[in-house]
Amino acid sequence: EAGVAQSPRYKIIEKRQSVAFWCNPISGHATLYWYQQILGQGPKLLIQFQNNGVVDDSQLPKDRFSAERLKGVDSTLKIQPAKLEDSAVYLCASRELVNTGELFFGEGSRLTVL
Amino acid sequence: QKEVEQNSGPLSVPEGAIASLNCTYSDRGSQSFFWYRQYSGKSPELIMSIYSNGDKEDGRFTAQLNKASQYVSLLIRDSQPSDSATYLCAVSGAGSYQLTFGKGTKLSVIP
Repeated sequence: EAGVAQSPRYKIIEKRQSVAFWCNPISGHATLYWYQQILGQGPKLLIQFQNNGVVDDSQLPKDRFSAERLKGVDSTLKIQPAKLEDSAVYLCASRELVNTGELFFGEGSRLTVL
Repeated sequence: QKEVEQNSGPLSVPEGAIASLNCTYSDRGSQSFFWYRQYSGKSPELIMSIYSNGDKEDGRFTAQLNKASQYVSLLIRDSQPSDSATYLCAVSGAGSYQLTFGKGTKLSVIP
């Protein structure tokens, strides 16, 4: 079974530039999450989708971050304009609609903002 | 604001010893509890889940939950150098499957 795919793995940009990350969840997983993990900290939830609808985006900085999940499969997370404090690993995770709650994580996209 | 607290460590134990990792959480309504292992530069992977008070054992790992004390722990018996990683405690509320993570405890197993 293929895992959660993310790209790009690494991205370096200047502040005020924009960046987009892509995630393809495990086939059949209805729920998709984007987490932000700053160095030395645990993952922090940014947004949760179920199919193509948003369940929770209360911690997403909506003035600069946006996310979408078209057709309930792939998802993209965009940051525009980026700030220095956005430097982090952006983790995508997915989960079956009905299970005990295990999240499967992708390898992450590491963003460095200079 | 739901909070999950862990001692950031590092926790150093000799090979073959028992490593004990602790976690407390603030939301009394929390229902599901998870331990994830994260190697440096890698993504978190689930190693244990626990849903009811008491102990749950899986190989060298034992998770312990005490909801009255809002406390969950992970014991690693016969620690191996390959266990050296950061261990993340994660908690979710009833039916939400939305995980709140602690900052993680870095474990080093010394050969």
